[in-house]
Amino acid sequence: DSGVTQTPKHLITATGQRVTLRCSPRSGDLSVYWYQQSLDQGLQFLIQYYNGEERAKGNILERFSAQQFPDLHSELNLSSLELGDSALYFCASSGTLTDTQYFGPGTRLTVL
Amino acid sequence: AQTVTQSQPEMSVQEAETVTLSCTYDTSESDYYLFWYKQPPSRQMILVIRQEAYKQQNATENRFSVNFQKAAKSFSLKISDSQLGDAAMYFCAYRPYSGAGSYQLTFGKGTKLSVIP
Repeated sequence: DSGVTQTPKHLITATGQRVTLRCSPRSGDLSVYWYQQSLDQGLQFLIQYYNGEERAKGNILERFSAQQFPDLHSELNLSSLELGDSALYFCASSGTLTDTQYFGPGTRLTVL
Repeated sequence: AQTVTQSQPEMSVQEAETVTLSCTYDTSESDYYLFWYKQPPSRQMILVIRQEAYKQQNATENRFSVNFQKAAKSFSLKISDSQLGDAAMYFCAYRPYSGAGSYQLTFGKGTKLSVIP
């Protein structure tokens, strides 16, 4: 157990819908990263937050957004969902910007 | 941009034997970190080992060790005394040491390791 929690574990929804994925970092960790794992694209970095502020963006679609709250938990919002958004979404956290990242169990999103 | 290449999509090893997984990377940076993560069927991403590029000594964690060749930009993982629980996808990952903003991980495509009883 890495200490990073993600909810829900599984999510099944329809095209065009909007979902929110939640991540709680390890106790004391300030940095949160979101990654997407799909069969065709592999593991890709989406976005990073550090102590409530957006730090970096990767290959994140405009339909996707995220935020980190004062209690340091983070949410990833996915809207206007398409079949191709079906993937495993991981959250990772680290204590500082340079620390090792520890991953949560992931949320499996299926878009029908 | 940094790239990470794992040239072995699948490998197998007999239980109790040793196996080496290959990884090469491309970067113009002199300082960086390299990682191996394991993803078992549960899909959890588990850190196996970490190597700082400025350290010449190869990292070791119990049965797991790396062969880090900085000039060749090679970072292989050796698993000794393989166990059934080692069966998983193994991902090599690169992270900048410091940068303008991001400390994101760049992953290879992974190597699926099977352990034969």
